[in-house]
Amino acid sequence: AQSVTQLGSHVSVSEGALVLLRCNYSSSVPPYLFWYVQYPNQGLQLLLKYTSAATLVKGINGFEAEFKKSETSFHLTKPSAHMSDAAEYFCAVSLYTGFQKLVFGTGTRLLVSP
Amino acid sequence: DTAVSQTPKYLVTQMGNDKSIKCEQNLGHDTMYWYKQDSKKFLKIMFSYNNKELIINETVPNRFSPKSPDKAHLNLHINSLELGDSAVYFCASSQGPNKANYGYTFGSGTRLTVV
Repeated sequence: AQSVTQLGSHVSVSEGALVLLRCNYSSSVPPYLFWYVQYPNQGLQLLLKYTSAATLVKGINGFEAEFKKSETSFHLTKPSAHMSDAAEYFCAVSLYTGFQKLVFGTGTRLLVSP
Repeated sequence: DTAVSQTPKYLVTQMGNDKSIKCEQNLGHDTMYWYKQDSKKFLKIMFSYNNKELIINETVPNRFSPKSPDKAHLNLHINSLELGDSAVYFCASSQGPNKANYGYTFGSGTRLTVV
């Protein structure tokens, strides 16, 4: 079955530092992969998605992710963190069981300190 | 214009009551979903409707009953509310039941608190 694992429930960085949020997937077929962001008391917003085109995917707010089949990973990065990036980040995979549905990882809270 | 809107945003109610949450999308999408986010932020799909037809029904107590009067609306009715039902419920939509590659659009959520 397809699923995603997010390593680290919390990640702390300083403003201006590199952001790296980890996501590994398990899938027997090429997956569709997504990163969503949830700001406090808000819904989920799509950051970026991988749908078997380019392996390096650029998203909104300066984020990008690289699909690495050999490592079954889809890590999210941003070169320089801003205070406004503090939020909960979710990795998700499209699971097919007759119909497609998005299955989410457990989330990683990004904390950004001045 | 809000793409996926949910009402109410907050709902506080007593155990044993019956309540409903409403969702509407103006994106022209065919498929809508209900997700539950628990206190640990874990998101789990509950139901999905495609053009008014139920297509995904996860292991959810039958106290939860979704209804879709048309493809732009998906409501969630909960009977005999329990403390464990306290969570944030998100509505979402997508272009089609097998078009997840386009991603889902989520509403801002309904925070349900059962006391």
